[in-house]
Amino acid sequence: GENVEQHPSTLSVQEGDSAVIKCTYSDSASNYFPWYKQELGKGPQLIIDIRSNVGEKKDQRIAVTLNKTAKHFSLHITETQPEDSAVYFCAASRTGGGADGLTFGKGTHLIIQP
Amino acid sequence: DAGVIQSPRHEVTEMGQEVTLRCKPISGHNSLFWYRQTMMRGLELLIYFNNNVPIDDSGMPEDRFSAKMPNASFSTLKIQPSEPRDSAVYFCASTLGGNTQYFGPGTRLTVL
Repeated sequence: GENVEQHPSTLSVQEGDSAVIKCTYSDSASNYFPWYKQELGKGPQLIIDIRSNVGEKKDQRIAVTLNKTAKHFSLHITETQPEDSAVYFCAASRTGGGADGLTFGKGTHLIIQP
Repeated sequence: DAGVIQSPRHEVTEMGQEVTLRCKPISGHNSLFWYRQTMMRGLELLIYFNNNVPIDDSGMPEDRFSAKMPNASFSTLKIQPSEPRDSAVYFCASTLGGNTQYFGPGTRLTVL
């Protein structure tokens, strides 16, 4: 089955700086890679996703890049703000998450220092 | 839109008791997923349904766990008998047509 590795487990950055979280996956058949943000006491919420037919996707301050050859994808957050503090999870799926479940990384605790 | 609804939000029970967690997916969604979150193992898929039919339950840890989806708007996850190692946050998620999975707020289960 799929295995998703995520690094780092904790990331502390100064407010206004950029943050990068990296994930690798093992199943070459995976073609859907979402990123979720989880705040304390809440369920994960999708913040951005990418499919294997594109290499990069941006949405305001967040972007995701995908390298299918190397089987890794990354989340980039620019101009970080205090409300970005949360746990971020990457995930992978073969079919887009609807016909099968998501395999998650272990999460990255992002801390934005004022 | 009410989102995915889970109940109860918190459950504390004693070892050996039966526990039933409930989920109402977003109206119109045709796939439902149960996940478990622990510090040690992270977020794990337990089971998922497409059009109310269980598709893959290979993530269900033991026979003590069972899940049902009697109709498109309701699912249950039952643990009988419960054990302390079942303590975790259980999430339900739903989706339509292979797109974004929307998660509920979770049920925090504590088994004493």
